[in-house]
Amino acid sequence: DAKTTQPPSMDCAEGRAANLPCNHSTISGNEYVYWYRQIHSQGPQYIIHGLKNNETNEMASLIITEDRKSSTLILPHATLRDTAVYYCIVRVASTGGFKTIFGAGTRLFVKA
Amino acid sequence: DTEVTQTPKHLVMGMTNKKSLKCEQHMGHRAMYWYKQKAKKPPELMFVYSYEKLSINESVPSRFSPECPNSSLLNLHLHALQPEDSALYLCASSLTLQGLNQPQHFGDGTRLSIL
Repeated sequence: DAKTTQPPSMDCAEGRAANLPCNHSTISGNEYVYWYRQIHSQGPQYIIHGLKNNETNEMASLIITEDRKSSTLILPHATLRDTAVYYCIVRVASTGGFKTIFGAGTRLFVKA
Repeated sequence: DTEVTQTPKHLVMGMTNKKSLKCEQHMGHRAMYWYKQKAKKPPELMFVYSYEKLSINESVPSRFSPECPNSSLLNLHLHALQPEDSALYLCASSLTLQGLNQPQHFGDGTRLSIL
């Protein structure tokens, strides 16, 4: 089972910041939080990941709470092309290695 | 554009056919993955290869047969599939399987339809 929970859907106005929350209350000290998104008819696209410090790249920012039990992905100026399903993932340890288990994700609708 | 290439993009096959899906990456990644995704559902892990050896099989039916002939190539052989196997099949790769600080890179998938 996925180790994260996310709201099923969110709306955002074009040009505004989109803030997508994620809860991962069972995360272990050395586990990273990963964010991917999937635009219709495409494969999932890696966005960003982090351990405990806030991270920023050309696509987004990731804010992780101090207790690491939750995080927020921020798209600073959302565009219509950011409409997608966003997945927050903490990988699951198994006998063969670490597995990426997808939860239901958040469907973000960016509206003009 | 994606660095993981999957072919074909679309495949229609009958239940008695044998076909193969192909996945290729040239990023030097040593872990490769197959996922299955039904419409409006998240991807589900099927198989994981690490250094060309099968490391994880998520109890996938034997009509799906994975193969990793070299570090850049991953195949999924299909035989006697059922209509419920119609789905988007996604391939992914990462530097290794054990690394915690390593994102996965996905292809755009093969959309499979079973008649």
